[in-house]
Amino acid sequence: GESVGLHLPTLSVQEGDNSIINCAYSNSASDYFIWYKQESGKGPQFIIDIRSNMDKRQGQRVTVLLNKTVKHLSLQIAATQPGDSAVYFCAEIRYSTLTFGKGTMLLVSP
Amino acid sequence: KAGVTQTPRYLIKTRGQQVTLSCSPISGHRSVSWYQQTPGQGLQFLFEYFSETQRNKGNFPGRFSGRQFSNSRSEMNVSTLELGDSALYLCASSLGPLELAGELFFGEGSRLTVL
Repeated sequence: GESVGLHLPTLSVQEGDNSIINCAYSNSASDYFIWYKQESGKGPQFIIDIRSNMDKRQGQRVTVLLNKTVKHLSLQIAATQPGDSAVYFCAEIRYSTLTFGKGTMLLVSP
Repeated sequence: KAGVTQTPRYLIKTRGQQVTLSCSPISGHRSVSWYQQTPGQGLQFLFEYFSETQRNKGNFPGRFSGRQFSNSRSEMNVSTLELGDSALYLCASSLGPLELAGELFFGEGSRLTVL
């Protein structure tokens, strides 16, 4: 069954707010997690990744947090912009397969 | 450098036919993986090829197959098409095998409609 899931299907925020997208996973053996962004009509685009031996990783305006105790992954986007509007997927790599969550649509209002 | 190129971008087939989709990875990338994306099931892993060898396969029937050539280009084939095969088929490339990949680069997909 699905081992990676998202808590909210749609998240609406105002421009300039911080956004938090959550993801739960069920398999503690997963060793690598990735966040992707997919805009309409395009393929997924890599945002940031994190290995299971880390609990936080930061990129440009994005931070990924990994809580292995509760098997929870989150993506934080600072100062959200209209261009951030897209569907966001978390994914895990385990046993040479990539398993995606269902996705969360982020809507940013100006 | 050129990104991942998938052809054709759109195609329409009828039930029972077969289809072949092509993926040209980024130059130098040796891993190509394929995914099916549908509104109901989301993104699902089909298989990964690395150095012309299939390394793993997702939970799909044998009608779904693929191969990789010595230049790393990959094709996937679906035989005896069913209505439920209508989907966006995405491929992604990376320098190394999937479990070591720091970043996957996706193509824009081939949208298959089965009538």
